[in-house]
Amino acid sequence: AQSVTQPDIHITVSEGASLELRCNYSYGATPYLFWYVQSPGQGLQLLLKYFSGDTLVQGIKGFEAEFKRSQSSFNLRKPSVHWSDAAEYFCAVAPNNAGNMLTFGGGTRLMVKP
Amino acid sequence: DTEVIQTPKHLVMGMTNKKSLKCEQHMGHRAMYWYKQKAKKPPELMFVYSYEKLSINESVPSRFSPECPNSSLLNLHLHALQPEDSALYLCASSHPPGGGPDTQYFGPGTRLTVL
Repeated sequence: AQSVTQPDIHITVSEGASLELRCNYSYGATPYLFWYVQSPGQGLQLLLKYFSGDTLVQGIKGFEAEFKRSQSSFNLRKPSVHWSDAAEYFCAVAPNNAGNMLTFGGGTRLMVKP
Repeated sequence: DTEVIQTPKHLVMGMTNKKSLKCEQHMGHRAMYWYKQKAKKPPELMFVYSYEKLSINESVPSRFSPECPNSSLLNLHLHALQPEDSALYLCASSHPPGGGPDTQYFGPGTRLTVL
């Protein structure tokens, strides 16, 4: 069975600092990969996704993620964090033979210090 | 437009009440999903509809009854709920499986409190 691990439950960064959120997956083949963000009490907003091709993908709000097959990772990065980035971040995978059935990681809560 | 609309935003109900959650999308998606999300946890899949037919039921108790009246609408009928059913209920939509990779788009959710 596929699984997704987000090793960091909480991360605190200072505003303006760089950010990297980790995501590791376990799956037989390369799945489709997603990052979603959820503000408190809100739904999930898609930040970016990887299906194939260039392993560095750009998303909304200045986020990017890099797929590394050798490490089974899909880490999310942002060069300079803004206070409005404080939220819960979910990595998710979908098997490449079933399109869009998502398995979510446990989430990482990002806090931003002024 | 990637909007999924959910109503109501908040719902408080007693254990003997009957209520419904509604979800609507106009992106031409033919797969729609219900998720339940408890605080500080990821969403858990409840139901999947594909071409208006129920394709996945993740062993959800019968007090939750989904309905897909047409390709744009998805309802979740609630009856005799328990306090532990209090959660954020999320709706999502996408193109159905088999059409290659695709993306689920989520609504803002309905915050349900069962007293």
